[in-house]
Amino acid sequence: DIQMTQSPSTLSASVGDRVTITCRASQNIGSWLAWYQQKPGKAPRLLIYKASSLQSGVPSRFSGSGSGTEFTLTISSLQPDDFATYYCQQYNSYTFGQGTKLE
Amino acid sequence: QVQLEESGGGVVQPGRSLRLSCAASGFTFSSFGMHWVRQAPGKGLEWVAVIWFDGSLKYYADSVRGRFTISRDNSKKMLYLQMNSLRAEDTAVYFCAKGARYSLDVWGQGTMVTVSS
Repeated sequence: DIQMTQSPSTLSASVGDRVTITCRASQNIGSWLAWYQQKPGKAPRLLIYKASSLQSGVPSRFSGSGSGTEFTLTISSLQPDDFATYYCQQYNSYTFGQGTKLE
Repeated sequence: QVQLEESGGGVVQPGRSLRLSCAASGFTFSSFGMHWVRQAPGKGLEWVAVIWFDGSLKYYADSVRGRFTISRDNSKKMLYLQMNSLRAEDTAVYFCAKGARYSLDVWGQGTMVTVSS
């Protein structure tokens, strides 16, 4: 199975900061990577698909990049609504990363 | 609007069975693969199972293979997860999700399953 490793596990940041979360795959997954945001008690929300495509309705401050085994999610200017947990998921065998809590 | 709604969760004893349902609306259900994803209390997301748009292929996580069965009824726009031989470690919120563009683009609100004696 493909393993997904996110870093960091926890990220402390302030409103207005630029933040980057990294996701590494244990083998080449091309661009088959998605990013999700989840708030407590809620279902996950799709942010980015195919590594870098912005889901409709998602603010443009979110962006994704990478291919192969290394991927990043960047929030260009952190807003109060962005404090949440973020997950990557590879779409080869569907496994998720362990999550990054943004606080 | 596009919507998924899970039902069927509850408290069940170890070794017993439970069937979850997911009702879809607002999109052509028969055109999309569908997934189940779970989240144990305080833990991360765990992918559980996928079924192809026409039901022809099904894949499972190692942790549930042989115990859980995913199925669908396209005429009723329904997705199911039959869970047998339940264990304490199956305790989680179970989400159904729609597959599209190499991602899960629509999620239900989840249904809680608690396995406890």
